[in-house]
Amino acid sequence: KQEVTQIPAALSVPEGENLVLNCSFTDSAIYNLQWFRQDPGKGLTSLLLIQSSQREQTSGRLNASLDKSSGRSTLYIAASQPGDSATYLCAVMGAQKLVFGQGTRLTINP
Amino acid sequence: EADIYQTPRYLVIGTGKKITLECSQTMGHDKMYWYQQDPGMELHLIHYSYGVNSTEKGDLSSESTVSRIRTEHFPLTLESARPSHTSQYLCASSALGATVVNTEAFFGQGTRLTVV
Repeated sequence: KQEVTQIPAALSVPEGENLVLNCSFTDSAIYNLQWFRQDPGKGLTSLLLIQSSQREQTSGRLNASLDKSSGRSTLYIAASQPGDSATYLCAVMGAQKLVFGQGTRLTINP
Repeated sequence: EADIYQTPRYLVIGTGKKITLECSQTMGHDKMYWYQQDPGMELHLIHYSYGVNSTEKGDLSSESTVSRIRTEHFPLTLESARPSHTSQYLCASSALGATVVNTEAFFGQGTRLTVV
């Protein structure tokens, strides 16, 4: 059974810092890994998708990496801003279903 | 932009009522999912489907039921709503991994259900 773990559960940093969110998964037989953002009481916004054959993807200040063999992914956020405050979720797509981690609640302090 | 829609966005309903949450997608995706999320908590998969006439229970036991009569439509039904069903319900879809390269999942905006 696929299990996805995100560390840390919560993170608070001052504005302008670079930061890294971590995601690990137990079964490396995945089709892809996605990073999502969720604002309080809202739905999910897809940030980055990494196919299983890829090692990283970049979008603006966000960079996500994937090491399938070790079951790890990181989301790097450069020059953080207060508007980045949200919960960040990683999810892995297997043959059967899309499995989520518990999320990292990020707070960027002005 | 994702073409997956959930209605209603918000619903307040009395205990004992039957409700159906609608989810439709226009991307021709075979796989569809329903997740339940309490405020501030993680997402739990409650149902998923591989295609027409396919439905599977997810990781979290749920009193709801689903049907998949058409590819684009995956409604979730509660026969008798209770306050414990108060939650946000999120629907998603993706292509089948065995047939395509891009298996990105797309989410609807969610339905926030309150049972009083």
